[in-house]
Amino acid sequence: AQSVTQPDIHITVSEGASLELRCNYSYGATPYLFWYVQSPGQGLQLLLKYFSGDTLVQGIKGFEAEFKRSQSSFNLRKPSVHWSDAAEYFCAVGATYGTASKLTFGTGTRLQVTL
Amino acid sequence: DAGVIQSPRHEVTEMGQEVTLRCKPISGHNSLFWYRQTMMRGLELLIYFNNNVPIDDSGMPEDRFSAKMPNASFSTLKIQPSEPRDSAVYFCAASRSSYNEQFFGPGTRLTVL
Repeated sequence: AQSVTQPDIHITVSEGASLELRCNYSYGATPYLFWYVQSPGQGLQLLLKYFSGDTLVQGIKGFEAEFKRSQSSFNLRKPSVHWSDAAEYFCAVGATYGTASKLTFGTGTRLQVTL
Repeated sequence: DAGVIQSPRHEVTEMGQEVTLRCKPISGHNSLFWYRQTMMRGLELLIYFNNNVPIDDSGMPEDRFSAKMPNASFSTLKIQPSEPRDSAVYFCAASRSSYNEQFFGPGTRLTVL
């Protein structure tokens, strides 16, 4: 069965600083990988996804993530964080079972941005 | 497209009462997922459907929980009887089954007193 580990529960960065959120996955085949963001009181919004091809994927809000098969990682990055990026971030790995698919989510990383 | 629609957005009820949460998925997205989110347990998958058929309900915590999808445009999650430990935010999500990417609704915040 697939699994996702987000080792950092809480991260604090200063506005304008760079950001990297870590994600490690376990899956026996080529994974489908996702990053979602959840603002307080909101649902989860898809930031970006990796299915195949270029291992560096661009997402919304200036985020990017790099798939590294050798490290089983899919870390999320942003060169300059804005105060509005404060939220909880979830990494997820997808798997297909027959004609259905489901996601396994990590436990999330809460990002705090200081001014 | 309006996205995934959930109702009600907030529900406060008393222990022992029946609670029904509703979800309208995105048209053409034939997989539907129910999740529960709490501080203690994070985001948990309760059940998911493909083409209106339940595929995996192993995440449903107890027999008090049941879910139905009578057609492609509507699903319900029912708790009967409700208990205070059921207090959580319940999310519905939809996807095209072959693409994995899921689109989430805004959630229903359930409080059981």
